[in-house]
Amino acid sequence: SQKIEQNSEALNIQEGKTATLTCNYTNYSPAYLQWYRQDPGRGPVFLLLIRENEKEKRKERLKVTFDTTLKQSLFHITASQPADSATYLCALGDRGSTLGRLYFGRGTQLTVWP
Amino acid sequence: GAVVSQHPSRVICKSGTSVKIECRSLDFQATTMFWYRQFPKQSLMLMATSNEGSKATYEQGVEKDKFLINHASLTLSTLTVTSAHPEDSSFYICSASRSGRYNEQFFGPGTRLTVL
Repeated sequence: SQKIEQNSEALNIQEGKTATLTCNYTNYSPAYLQWYRQDPGRGPVFLLLIRENEKEKRKERLKVTFDTTLKQSLFHITASQPADSATYLCALGDRGSTLGRLYFGRGTQLTVWP
Repeated sequence: GAVVSQHPSRVICKSGTSVKIECRSLDFQATTMFWYRQFPKQSLMLMATSNEGSKATYEQGVEKDKFLINHASLTLSTLTVTSAHPEDSSFYICSASRSGRYNEQFFGPGTRLTVL
């Protein structure tokens, strides 16, 4: 069956450290992968997109990697801050859809403590 | 730019009634809109994809007669939960994209539905 697994439900790190979140998938062949941030009671906010032919993408303190052989994406937040505390979702882009359908993982709740 | 609104933000209704949720793209034309449902501590589950002026495409297991979707214009899509039951209580979120498969989706703030 198809699965999207994000490494853990919760991750707690100290301010200033690098947070690394993992997204693994099985029985999918995504054309691209996106990462979103979701705060409690709100809709997700887009952070980064990486395509299947790209190995790495960066945006300010964020970095995402995509390994289609391992079927894994890693999401890094460097110099983390308490304001980075949120749930982070990975989403796989449906290869067969020209409309941009996404399938989401359950998310990892990140807490950055001072 | 790229703001999506939803109305209402919260709704409580009695079992057996119907509830309509609106999703609007405020500052762009959304070629495609998506409807998701999210239970506590669960992932967003895609319910359906809709294009303006055409019928929605529902995901497997989603009853199209129960969850009516209308995408009447490039800025408005509605989801009607018909004959709602307590098990339909959830957080419903819409998103919109301009076009194309690689575009990011812009999400609305969500609607919390509680069916008594």
